[in-house]
Amino acid sequence: SSELTQDPAVSVALGQTVRITCQGDNLRNYYANWYQQRTGQAPVLVMFGKNKRPSGIPDRFSGSSSKNTASLTITGAQAEDEADYYCCSRDNSGDHWVFGGGTRLTVL
Amino acid sequence: QVQLEESGPGLVKPSQTLSLTCNVSGVSVRGDSYYWTWIRQPAGKALEWIGRIYISGRTNYSPSLKSRVTISLDTSSNQFSLRLSALTAADTAVYFCVREAYDTAWYVFDYWGQGTLVTVSS
Repeated sequence: SSELTQDPAVSVALGQTVRITCQGDNLRNYYANWYQQRTGQAPVLVMFGKNKRPSGIPDRFSGSSSKNTASLTITGAQAEDEADYYCCSRDNSGDHWVFGGGTRLTVL
Repeated sequence: QVQLEESGPGLVKPSQTLSLTCNVSGVSVRGDSYYWTWIRQPAGKALEWIGRIYISGRTNYSPSLKSRVTISLDTSSNQFSLRLSALTAADTAVYFCVREAYDTAWYVFDYWGQGTLVTVSS
């Protein structure tokens, strides 16, 4: 299967730690990328490859992966982290990209 | 800096063909480190990868859309385009043009247009 599965919604108290997960068989062979999408805006890359963080992304964002699961962790969540988060990876053919269904993060 | 901007009709009738163009500035579409990509998002739903094109002309399309999609590259205008035929209401979405780049041993969607809303309705 080339599908990526995410929990639809997660919440975290301000300043606490939250983990957002993404599961898929293709993650055994390919890295996951993570995109943050605030309401009404285009997505922004926040984590990619082997847990790499793009320039300008705060170091409270980190990534990890194990077997068929990739995770995005926010340590010390801030109000501005409230957004939809999408994982994305190659499908099993390697020629196409697939997105997870997205996780809506609410910061309480 | 790199910028992408979508243009095209906001309203298209069912069964017709959608044509969108992405104007790229700040980088040449001739670059051999990039794929030029279309992604869409129905209101309140997840992102969906449509397809991409490389400078060689090689294309890859989503298996679910492959029969209806054509992506092309215009190097003289530094643009790339999307054509999606046989439209239905299910094609109503915000369409993003995106650059896929190679970064630190992996590929990422690093620059996005602001998106353009396309509504399919009679």
